[in-house]
Amino acid sequence: GENVEQHPSTLSVQEGDSAVIKCTYSDSASNYFPWYKQELGKGPQLIIDIRSNVGEKKDQRIAVTLNKTAKHFSLHITETQPEDSAVYFCAASRGTGGGNKLTFGTGTQLKVEL
Amino acid sequence: DADVTQTPRNRITKTGKRIMLECSQTKGHDRMYWYRQDPGLGLQLIYYSFDVKDINKGEISDGYSVSRQAQAKFSLSLESAIPNQTALYFCATSDTPGQGSGGLDEQFFGPGTRLTVL
Repeated sequence: GENVEQHPSTLSVQEGDSAVIKCTYSDSASNYFPWYKQELGKGPQLIIDIRSNVGEKKDQRIAVTLNKTAKHFSLHITETQPEDSAVYFCAASRGTGGGNKLTFGTGTQLKVEL
Repeated sequence: DADVTQTPRNRITKTGKRIMLECSQTKGHDRMYWYRQDPGLGLQLIYYSFDVKDINKGEISDGYSVSRQAQAKFSLSLESAIPNQTALYFCATSDTPGQGSGGLDEQFFGPGTRLTVL
């Protein structure tokens, strides 16, 4: 089955700096890579996703890059703000062809310090 | 997401007790999932269901069972709770290919149930 590794487990940045979280996956058939943000006391919420036919996707201050050859993908947050503090999870899936089953990474606790 | 609700939000129980966690959704999605979250381990899939008559085991189904009572309701049961089932449990839903608008792969999570087994 799929195995997703995520690093770092904790990340502390100064407000305004950039944050990068990296994930690797093992299943070459995975074609959908979402990122979820989990705020304290809440369930995870999708913030951005990328499919295997795209190398990069941006949405305002967040971006995701995908390297299919190396089987890794990364989340980039620019101009970090205190409200970005949360736990971030990457995941991999074979998409609808695989029943939407997501395999999650172990999470990154991001802290944005003032 | 308010469209996916879980009850109870918190539960403390004793070893050997039967526990049921309930999930309801108003999103009209056919697909529903139960996950378990442990510190440092991310989310692990317990069971999933593609429609009322479909039930599938996930990565860690041992010690758990589920019931899909209706399209909108998916319950998780612990027949005889044990301390290592202490965790945060999440229900999620997703759309079915060919129905609705985009974001077919997106899963929408409930607020979670914190379960403690003493």
